[in-house]
Amino acid sequence: GIQVEQSPPDLILQEGANSTLRCNFSDSVNNLQWFHQNPWGQLINLFYIPSGTKQNGRLSATTVATERYSLLYISSSQTTDSGVYFCAVDLQTGANNLFFGTGTRLTVIP
Amino acid sequence: IAGITQAPTSQILAAGRRMTLRCTQDMRHNAMYWYRQDLGLGLRLIHYSNTAGTTGKGEVPDGYSVSRANTDDFPLTLASAVPSQTSVYFCASSADRGTEAFFGQGTRLTVV
Repeated sequence: GIQVEQSPPDLILQEGANSTLRCNFSDSVNNLQWFHQNPWGQLINLFYIPSGTKQNGRLSATTVATERYSLLYISSSQTTDSGVYFCAVDLQTGANNLFFGTGTRLTVIP
Repeated sequence: IAGITQAPTSQILAAGRRMTLRCTQDMRHNAMYWYRQDLGLGLRLIHYSNTAGTTGKGEVPDGYSVSRANTDDFPLTLASAVPSQTSVYFCASSADRGTEAFFGQGTRLTVV
């Protein structure tokens, strides 16, 4: 089956620092989403990004589908950015399934 | 506010009991999904429905059943709960298969 690998698994940042989270996937995909799971467990949509680059405030994402990876950039991090970041991919063929990576746990300290 | 509502928020259930987790969306989305989240394993798909009246099996369907009688509701039933079904369950929906998915707030289920 498809492999969705996220790196790093854990990240600790000082408030104000920048970071890049990576998502590699092993098969061709129809779409890719980034989610933030906050400390209360809620899954929040960040980006729906099958290809190209999108920006939303301090966050931006780039997906290079031909090379099977996506990057999530967080600039000027804040303590409210803490939580787990997931990427999830939908295969071009086969089962109807949004496959999730195992996530990057981000802790932003003041 | 439009969105996905799950009930209950949390539940402790005796092994062997039957339980239905409820999920309702008001976005008129065609596709709905049930995931479970376990520590270290991310989220895994249990069952899905691409449109009202149809359902399909995901990665981990054993021990669970679903129905999709209408567009808005997608209940998940555990016929006879076992401790390995202790997990956080998320319901999600998308306009159609492969489009942006939105998640409910989750149901924390503990089977003892």
